[in-house]
Amino acid sequence: EPEVTQTPSHQVTQMGQEVILRCVPISNHLYFYWYRQILGQKVEFLVSFYNNEISEKSEIFDDQFSVERPDGSNFTLKIRSTKLEDSAMYFCASSERGQYNEQFFGPGTRLTVL
Amino acid sequence: QQQVKQSPQSLIVQKGGISIINCAYENTAFDYFPWYQQFPGKGPALLIAIRPDVSEKKEGRFTISFNKSAKQFSLHIMDSQPGDSATYFCAASARDGGSQGNLIFGKGTKLSVKP
Repeated sequence: EPEVTQTPSHQVTQMGQEVILRCVPISNHLYFYWYRQILGQKVEFLVSFYNNEISEKSEIFDDQFSVERPDGSNFTLKIRSTKLEDSAMYFCASSERGQYNEQFFGPGTRLTVL
Repeated sequence: QQQVKQSPQSLIVQKGGISIINCAYENTAFDYFPWYQQFPGKGPALLIAIRPDVSEKKEGRFTISFNKSAKQFSLHIMDSQPGDSATYFCAASARDGGSQGNLIFGKGTKLSVKP
């Protein structure tokens, strides 16, 4: 069964450093998302991406964040200068048709900012 | 306006019992309501979803009840099993302004089913 994969599973970084989280969505999916989940809290939407551009972004997704689909398979989330409060689980998701269509989530990357 | 309120925060049910989790929303533009199941260390997985043109949807032991006028929806797990022990999230999304279905999640309910 096709699945969304994410690397690394755990990333530890120093405050102020740049991190890139990588995702490989399901191959025939066209809509891509990043969400985050701070430990013990709800899952929060960050950004959606379709047709090589951002469709929508939340207030959390400020100028420190960027997304890219550098090739036909990878989808990346970059945090330019990490803060302590960026420590969270980051989930990538993809769907075939956007609204009303199941979003498949990856296993997540746990980001720890020291 | 964009919030989805979920209760209870945690739930303990005996094996074979019925688990009920409730969610409420304010934004009348929401038109897709999925429930996700999350096991520790894993990403959320879609369990069941409903659109507001129906009041109930059933898939196996899982049922969503939807009350459009009250802006509430709930998940019922019949014959709950220890393997159902997980965190359950309700969510909602709205297809307006070109939204591509980004999900607004509730805070989650940690379900424990005792053998």
